[in-house]
Amino acid sequence: SQTIHQWPATLVQPVGSPLSLECTVEGTSNPNLYWYRQAAGRGLQLLFYSVGIGQISSEVPQNLSASRPQDRQFILSSKKLLLSDSGFYLCAWQGAHEKLFFGSGTQLSVL
Amino acid sequence: SQQGEEDPQALSIQEGENATMNCSYKTSINNLQWYRQNSGRGLVHLILIRSNEREKHSGRLRVTLDTSKKSSSLLITASRAADTASYFCATSHNTDKLIFGTGTRLQVFP
Repeated sequence: SQTIHQWPATLVQPVGSPLSLECTVEGTSNPNLYWYRQAAGRGLQLLFYSVGIGQISSEVPQNLSASRPQDRQFILSSKKLLLSDSGFYLCAWQGAHEKLFFGSGTQLSVL
Repeated sequence: SQQGEEDPQALSIQEGENATMNCSYKTSINNLQWYRQNSGRGLVHLILIRSNEREKHSGRLRVTLDTSKKSSSLLITASRAADTASYFCATSHNTDKLIFGTGTRLQVFP
C-alpha cells in the first residue's frame, strides 16, 4: 500500500535562516506531488506541484522553491526565511481518480 | 488563488442533527472533492463527484453538485462528536492541480 512521509512535524526557525522540508512517497511510481501551505484557520494555498523528476510548477511568487531530485521525493526549500513563511505545510500525492493523499504536515514558526 | 468558497465558515450543532456545508466555485470543473481535516493534521479524502453527476452518497455523507450554479453541498446525517473537524471542497480543472476552498469548521456537541 502507498504511504507518504513528511518531516519534521514542527519546526521553529529564526528569520533569515534556511529551510528544507522533505516529503517521500512509498508504494507508487511517478506520482504527481504537491506542496500546500495553510495559514492558521484558513484554506490551503497550492505552492508547487510536480508531474515528474525535475518538473516543478510554481503557483505563486514567493520566497520558497521546490525540487524533485528523485521520483518519490519532493523537497520544499528557502534560502532565507521570512516571518510571512510561517504556516502549516502539507505535502500530498495524487492517486487514482485525482484524489489527493496528504502527509501529516509540518508546522513552521518563523520568529 | 482559491477557487472554492465554503459556507458557512463555522457551524455548531448537537449530536444527531444533520450538518450541511456549501461550496461555490468560479470556473468549469472536471470533478469536485470533499476533504476533512482534524485540527493540526493532514486532510483526508471523503468523496468525489464528477461534473456529469448530480448526487453521490457514501455512508452518512451525501454530496450534490449543481454545475449550472457552480455549487456543491455536503450533508452529514446523524452527526457525531467525532465528526468535529474542518471540511474543504476542492475542484479539479483541465490540469493536474486541485484547488481548495476556505473550509467550514464543524463543531458537534455531545
